[in-house]
Amino acid sequence: GAVVSQHPSWVICKSGTSVKIECRSLDFQATTMFWYRQFPKQSLMLMATSNEGSKATYEQGVEKDKFLINHASLTLSTLTVTSAHPEDSSFYICSARDSFGGETQYFGPGTRLLVL
Amino acid sequence: AQSVTQLDSHVSVSEGTPVLLRCNYSSSYSPSLFWYVQHPNKGLQLLLKYTSAATLVKGINGFEAEFKKSETSFHLTKPSAHMSDAAEYFCVVSPWDNYGQNFVFGPGTRLSVLP
Repeated sequence: GAVVSQHPSWVICKSGTSVKIECRSLDFQATTMFWYRQFPKQSLMLMATSNEGSKATYEQGVEKDKFLINHASLTLSTLTVTSAHPEDSSFYICSARDSFGGETQYFGPGTRLLVL
Repeated sequence: AQSVTQLDSHVSVSEGTPVLLRCNYSSSYSPSLFWYVQHPNKGLQLLLKYTSAATLVKGINGFEAEFKKSETSFHLTKPSAHMSDAAEYFCVVSPWDNYGQNFVFGPGTRLSVLP
């Protein structure tokens, strides 16, 4: 149980285009999902907290107009990197917290983004 | 403020020998603590968690961790390392007063297992 999927697993795009990443909780409902960014050989950096049916809460320094988050259902959150640039290239990981299961976050497999 | 320290950025052990990955935390309240493992280019997998029940927590793949409040530690151990244990390990604290909204991650420890 408690499986989180991400799609796509990797994406290469041209500078200036937008990329959408999906995060799904497959066997549980997730009122809250989280989006992280991970640079090589570093720990995870929380970008934003996504709450179903409401606006996401962004961490300091994260541009909300750059990283659009939508959490329209209890099993799906999306992160859209708008007008991507090479510096946005990174590993993006989502996690989901079971609405009935306490504090544990279950992580997706990550999405590798490369912007050329 | 909460913080997590993982004292070793890299630990190298031989296959079949014990593993010790150290984690110390600071928290204003009694926190929940987690260990996650990340294999290369993969997401994080939950190994075990402490949530104010038994102080010795058993996890998957033979790992266990002991919560020691007096030492503010939550070290991860395994009696015998396997090649498949080679990965990055993250200690995480979840502040009780913030109901897990913000996980605080340690910097990670890379475990190498030598044949």
